[in-house]
Amino acid sequence: VMLVESGGGLVQPGGSVRLSCVGSGFTVNTNYMTWVRQAPGKGLEWVSTIYDADITKYADSVKGRFTISRHSSNNTLFLQMNNLRPDDTAVYYCTRGMYIGRFQNWGQGTLLTVSS
Amino acid sequence: SYVLTQPPSVSVAPGKTARITCGGNNIGSKSVHWYQQKPGQAPILVVYDDSDRAPGIPERFSGSNSDNTATLTISRVEAGDEADYYCQVWDTTIDHVGVFGPGTKVTVL
Repeated sequence: VMLVESGGGLVQPGGSVRLSCVGSGFTVNTNYMTWVRQAPGKGLEWVSTIYDADITKYADSVKGRFTISRHSSNNTLFLQMNNLRPDDTAVYYCTRGMYIGRFQNWGQGTLLTVSS
Repeated sequence: SYVLTQPPSVSVAPGKTARITCGGNNIGSKSVHWYQQKPGQAPILVVYDDSDRAPGIPERFSGSNSDNTATLTISRVEAGDEADYYCQVWDTTIDHVGVFGPGTKVTVL
């Protein structure tokens, strides 16, 4: 199992970005897929999960601004992030689990910096 | 929202036992998972469902969960165990959300 994130970088406040996570060794569409973030020097924060028939859950801090989705043809998980704020600055990790709420495998993370 | 508490730090001598607690209201009714994160690395799952070790994790790592406290125990601590440890639950009280504890820094003396 491997997860590889991409799409991070520098974006201005109010801007948008889409993170991607390509999975290998398993099928993204049949697993519980989650984004977890970690602000610099801070702890882990759950962001969003997608599971079953594309049921989606979000942390209150991102609800209405972020959208999680997945695409079976290229086995990829996405996180569309709109109206970004400086406190969204973090390393974003893609995780996979075979059971809901358990983050079994992690990618290496992609750093997103929101700053003017 | 559901809140988890952890001590900010735990110090332990090599060969001794480290115990990291995770407090939460009636956490004994939930499945608790533990993650280890070393500097500059992604977290890894070490214990899931309160007490099951993830593949490749040494038997020195064990977990328990009862009432309002879950505990990760590291026996015969080694220098390589120095890391941040996070507990985590999936809370279904109101909605389905992931919750992490604030993390505990384990220092090997």
